[in-house]
Amino acid sequence: GAVVSQHPSRVICKSGTSVKIECRSLDFQATTMFWYRQFPKQSLMLMATSNEGSKATYEQGVEKDKFLINHASLTLSTLTVTSAHPEDSSFYICSAPRQYAHNSPLHFGNGTRLTVT
Amino acid sequence: AQKITQTQPGMFVQEKEAVTLDCTYDTSDPSYGLFWYKQPSSGEMIFLIYQGSYDQQNATEGRYSLNFQKARKSANLVISASQLGDSAMYFCAMREYPSGSARQLTFGSGTQLTVLP
Repeated sequence: GAVVSQHPSRVICKSGTSVKIECRSLDFQATTMFWYRQFPKQSLMLMATSNEGSKATYEQGVEKDKFLINHASLTLSTLTVTSAHPEDSSFYICSAPRQYAHNSPLHFGNGTRLTVT
Repeated sequence: AQKITQTQPGMFVQEKEAVTLDCTYDTSDPSYGLFWYKQPSSGEMIFLIYQGSYDQQNATEGRYSLNFQKARKSANLVISASQLGDSAMYFCAMREYPSGSARQLTFGSGTQLTVLP
């Protein structure tokens, strides 16, 4: 079964509004979670690394004031897309390693398809 | 420079036949891991198989196997006895350690596999 839960799976919002996406590790503690963005038919691009109890680390070119990340507990990270615009429409997917071993795969949520009108 | 290269945007295979999906990578780290994921049209990311840089043998998991050629820096995925349900996007990914940040994965551009009846 799923080990990472992501909600909502789909969201449509109006331009200028904010959208919050939740990512939960279900049966393990995740001090680190990763947020990826994927455009249609393209690869997953890492946006930011969410760290429990500290600030997120953003990849180059990702606006931290636009994509707010909060990792308030060992099982929950949230991504808030603030003042969304149509160009923010995309597939956002979170992930976490179940174990901190070099061969531990990332377990992914089912993703959130965001459409900004 | 691209760290992970998947040169086949699309591949077709007849049901019950084997197919090889190519992946080459670029790293100066002696320690790294290679992962393959399957992404059906629903968007979920399904972990398939892992190969460590120091593994002496090619990884196998059921119908999936890796043709790991370290000197060539390639880690091709072989799917045997293709099934209609194998139709999906396939991503090759790499984790570099210890120099890589956290435990993120860097993904290739993906290969869309279509299994024909």
